[in-house]
Amino acid sequence: ILNVEQSPQSLHVQEGDSTNFTCSFPSSNFYALHWYRWETAKSPEALFVMTLNGDEKKKGRISATLNTKEGYSYLYIKGSQPEDSATYLCAFHTNAGKSTFGDGTTLTVKP
Amino acid sequence: DADVTQTPRNRITKTGKRIMLECSQTKGHDRMYWYRQDPGLGLRLIYYSFDVKDINKGEISDGYSVSRQAQAKFSLSLESAIPNQTALYFCATSDPPGGGTDNEQFFGPGTRLTVL
Repeated sequence: ILNVEQSPQSLHVQEGDSTNFTCSFPSSNFYALHWYRWETAKSPEALFVMTLNGDEKKKGRISATLNTKEGYSYLYIKGSQPEDSATYLCAFHTNAGKSTFGDGTTLTVKP
Repeated sequence: DADVTQTPRNRITKTGKRIMLECSQTKGHDRMYWYRQDPGLGLRLIYYSFDVKDINKGEISDGYSVSRQAQAKFSLSLESAIPNQTALYFCATSDPPGGGTDNEQFFGPGTRLTVL
């Protein structure tokens, strides 16, 4: 079983705050690291697909970085809004095609 | 229409019963997956299939079996359901790595299963 850890487990912030969370994963057999956004009563949807060491991706106020050598990725949200409230999952993919998800960080943004 | 569908969406059953959860996809993906989600935990992989003739166990396959009837269909069976199999079950699909989406997974709406 591959160890994929996310921290913190949960986060409560005020509207307008910027926040970040971490995904750590094995540094060997790396193929890709995905971030998914999972809203309550919906299915997870991909935010970012990252494959190269040093990758930085951005979508609106959300961005992510990747360090494959040390085995971590950061997800940043700038100026959090209530609609950002969700669970954010990372998934580590090996070059053999196996996927392992972290337990997620649940973000609550208070108006 | 949804690209990945799951039936049923909700099911309540009794201990010892056999139950099948079905997943269909119209995305044309070769790879399909079954996950379960328990409160406070992420998604744990039960089984995955890279093509019709390929079936692989995930990290928590005990008590489950699968069938890949066609490229578009992947079903999950609980031969004799037990209460600790009460969970939310998700089916997902993906292209192989290098197929342009780098194994990005597309999820169905989930099936909420309760075993009494």
